[in-house]
Amino acid sequence: GAVVSQHPSWVICKSGTSVKIECRSLDFQATTMFWYRQFPKQSLMLMATSNEGSKATYEQGVEKDKFLINHASLTLSTLTVTSAHPEDSSFYICSARGRDITYNEQFFGPGTRLTVL
Amino acid sequence: AQSVAQPEDQVNVAEGNPLTVKCTYSVSGNPYLFWYVQYPNRGLQFLLKYITGDNLVKGSYGFEAEFNKSQTSFHLKKPSALVSDSALYFCAVRDDLFGAGKSTFGDGTTLTVKP
Repeated sequence: GAVVSQHPSWVICKSGTSVKIECRSLDFQATTMFWYRQFPKQSLMLMATSNEGSKATYEQGVEKDKFLINHASLTLSTLTVTSAHPEDSSFYICSARGRDITYNEQFFGPGTRLTVL
Repeated sequence: AQSVAQPEDQVNVAEGNPLTVKCTYSVSGNPYLFWYVQYPNRGLQFLLKYITGDNLVKGSYGFEAEFNKSQTSFHLKKPSALVSDSALYFCAVRDDLFGAGKSTFGDGTTLTVKP
């Protein structure tokens, strides 16, 4: 099946710094990418949806200036958490959907554990 | 609007016994249903999906799910559970397969299989 990678798998940063998380589709073209946030033992909360070459669509309550999403190519999307604070600590998961046979499925990355001190 | 309910936070079964993880859904159009499994500190792995056709869908690792339109359910099943099946399971629904439809996930069910 299609593979989605995320980097880094975990990151620890100081409060006030910015952190960038990369999401790549390794063997297919991801026309749409989704970014989720997951708290311990909870479901996935969709943060935003991005289509290649256009601005991301953010879900209600998600600060677009804090969570910057860039989907510059068909294989790469990035999530930048700006001026991170301890409450931003979470597990961030990206998901990608592409053309052709992958269109009706979402393929998930392994997730990135962010800890803000 | 679409929604998914997983009524059980936790399911416990003994190894070798059959398991069922329940899921009910609500959509305005045709339902497209998915099951995913998540192991600790990992992303979601696709198990199976229902798009159209046979109501009984077979997926990875011996799992299957039955689509029941009248009961709006899509329960996940396995005839004989393994300890390694212990994980967090998510049911998801979409009503738009080829457009910009987004998946809605249930809250998840933790499956524990005891030896």
